[in-house]
Amino acid sequence: GAVVSQHPSRVICKSGTSVKIECRSLDFQATTMFWYRQFPKQSLMLMATSNEGSKATYEQGVEKDKFLINHASLTLSTLTVTSAHPEDSSFYICSAPDFSSYEQYFGPGTRLTVT
Amino acid sequence: QQQVKQSPQSLIVQKGGISIINCAYENTAFDYFPWYQQFPGKGPALLIAIRPDVSEKKEGRFTISFNKSAKQFSLHIMDSQPGDSATYFCAASLYNTDKLIFGTGTRLQVFP
Repeated sequence: GAVVSQHPSRVICKSGTSVKIECRSLDFQATTMFWYRQFPKQSLMLMATSNEGSKATYEQGVEKDKFLINHASLTLSTLTVTSAHPEDSSFYICSAPDFSSYEQYFGPGTRLTVT
Repeated sequence: QQQVKQSPQSLIVQKGGISIINCAYENTAFDYFPWYQQFPGKGPALLIAIRPDVSEKKEGRFTISFNKSAKQFSLHIMDSQPGDSATYFCAASLYNTDKLIFGTGTRLQVFP
């Protein structure tokens, strides 16, 4: 199947700082990517849809000024957690649909810990 | 209407047995139903997926059964192995959106 990568795999930052997470589709182009958040032993919660060349669309209750999304190219989307606080600590996962197969593939996730 | 209900929450199966996980949905506009496997600390990996025009799809030891009239679908893992121990998520997406709605997950433990 198609491959989606994320960087970094884990990051620790201090409260008040910003953190950027990258999501790349390695062997296919993705005009759309999705960002999820997952708390321990819970399901994936969709945060936003990243659209290449246009603004991201956010799910209800997700602060767009806190979670900045930029879809810079057909293979790269970034999520920036601004002014991070301990409650932002979570597992962040991106996904991208491969339109050649109509399947959706997930990245390996990024563990964010805010101290 | 956007929910996907998944059961059981956890499942313990003996090696070689059959693991069965069930999901149900309400929205008839859903047209794509994938199953994902997730190991601790990793992203979900696509296992198998089905569309409503097919009632069953089999790939190796994994089979999806789909009942359109009942709005239910299930994952069967034949000859379950300890390496299958993971959390399994069903999902559904609306026609032409690619946005996935996930079930709550099932933690499967396969004992030797």
